[in-house]
Amino acid sequence: AQKITQTQPGMFVQEKEAVTLDCTYDTSDPSYGLFWYKQPSSGEMIFLIYQGSYDQQNATEGRYSLNFQKARKSANLVISASQLGDSAMYFCAMSPVQDSYKLIFGSGTRLLVRP
Amino acid sequence: DGGITQSPKYLFRKEGQNVTLSCEQNLNHDAMYWYRQDPGQGLRLIYYSQIVNDFQKGDIAEGYSVSREKKESFPLTVTSAQKNPTAFYLCASSSRGGRTGANVLTFGAGSRLTVL
Repeated sequence: AQKITQTQPGMFVQEKEAVTLDCTYDTSDPSYGLFWYKQPSSGEMIFLIYQGSYDQQNATEGRYSLNFQKARKSANLVISASQLGDSAMYFCAMSPVQDSYKLIFGSGTRLLVRP
Repeated sequence: DGGITQSPKYLFRKEGQNVTLSCEQNLNHDAMYWYRQDPGQGLRLIYYSQIVNDFQKGDIAEGYSVSREKKESFPLTVTSAQKNPTAFYLCASSSRGGRTGANVLTFGAGSRLTVL
């Protein structure tokens, strides 16, 4: 069975500083995809970044980067130069490549950016 | 603009009543999904549909039903058999699925159901 664990229910970061949101996962699938989504207070989930389990390099998308450590089964999200608009819930998610319809989510981390 | 429209945004239901949540997409995506979100928790998959006239149960399908008669539409019915239906419901769609890793979902704004 697959499982995603986000151990930080809430975090604070000062505006313009970097922050790391933790995510660990457990799966028996040999190939899988890892995702991060952002959920503002409006409720809509917004895709941020994707990492394939066999990708050689860590994924980056603008200010977002994914620190992928396969041996440790971790996929931490790093947000550089935090902005006030980054305040939101952040969810780590995973799906097996063999059945990518079945995306499972962690419990989320609430990030608050201080001015 | 392309996207997913969910309605209603807020819905109140009396116990014992069925209620249907609407989800429409104009992204020309083949796959559609319904997720449930409870306070302080992540999303849990209720049902998903890979193509028209086909759908599969997710992890928490009991007490819910869906249909997929058109590519653009994937309504969710919360039946009276669902014992704790108060939650936030999110609909999503994707253009890819099956044996691929990068199945990125596009979400609607959600529907909040409250049972009185």
